Amino acid sequence: NAGVTQTPKFQVLKTGQSMTLQCAQDMNHEYMSWYRQDPGMGLRLIHYSVGAGITDQGEVPNGYNVSRSTTEDFPLRLLSAAPSQTSVYFCASRLSQPATDTQYFGPGTRLTVL
Amino acid sequence: AQSVTQPDIHITVSEGASLELRCNYSYGATPYLFWYVQSPGQGLQLLLKYFSGDTLVQGIKGFEAEFKRSQSSFNLRKPSVHWSDAAEYFCAVGARGRDDKIIFGKGTRLHILP
Repeated sequence: NAGVTQTPKFQVLKTGQSMTLQCAQDMNHEYMSWYRQDPGMGLRLIHYSVGAGITDQGEVPNGYNVSRSTTEDFPLRLLSAAPSQTSVYFCASRLSQPATDTQYFGPGTRLTVL
Repeated sequence: AQSVTQPDIHITVSEGASLELRCNYSYGATPYLFWYVQSPGQGLQLLLKYFSGDTLVQGIKGFEAEFKRSQSSFNLRKPSVHWSDAAEYFCAVGARGRDDKIIFGKGTRLHILP
């Protein structure tokens, strides 16, 4: 198994540009989530999904959209990037909804918005 | 909603010394509790987790944590640290319920003196 994969690893955007951060997992996990990590702020939950077709907002959802058309993929979309979205983004997945299942993290995407 | 506080931003200990990292949580019921470690430039790795039962939890790499309901705490301990333990440590709390979100603290960076 490849686990949780994220692409790209690095990205530089200009203010106002749009892009999609890709996240995929090959473990047949139902539950997937996106976090952003900023210095001194820890990881903050952006959006999460309890299964295909179901998504919900986390702590900091503004400026981000998600969809979950398949079990494997959970892309994160920035429609109009802002400098405040400069961060490291982590995708995570776990087998099912209960938080008792081990959550696996991807390697992260470092995004810079100029 | 749940929340978690890690009071110490940085901790410095000498190699071979004991370690305790503090974590306090806020949640209306018995939460799920986790400790993760992140080495520089890496993703997050689960050290240990508590769901129920024995309040002293053993994890990987010689770490343990104790759940104290009366103090709303879940402190991480290691009897003797190694230089390779230098990393950032995150405490996290998971809700029990409809969506089982996992919320992270801001992290404690551990420095090891030779």
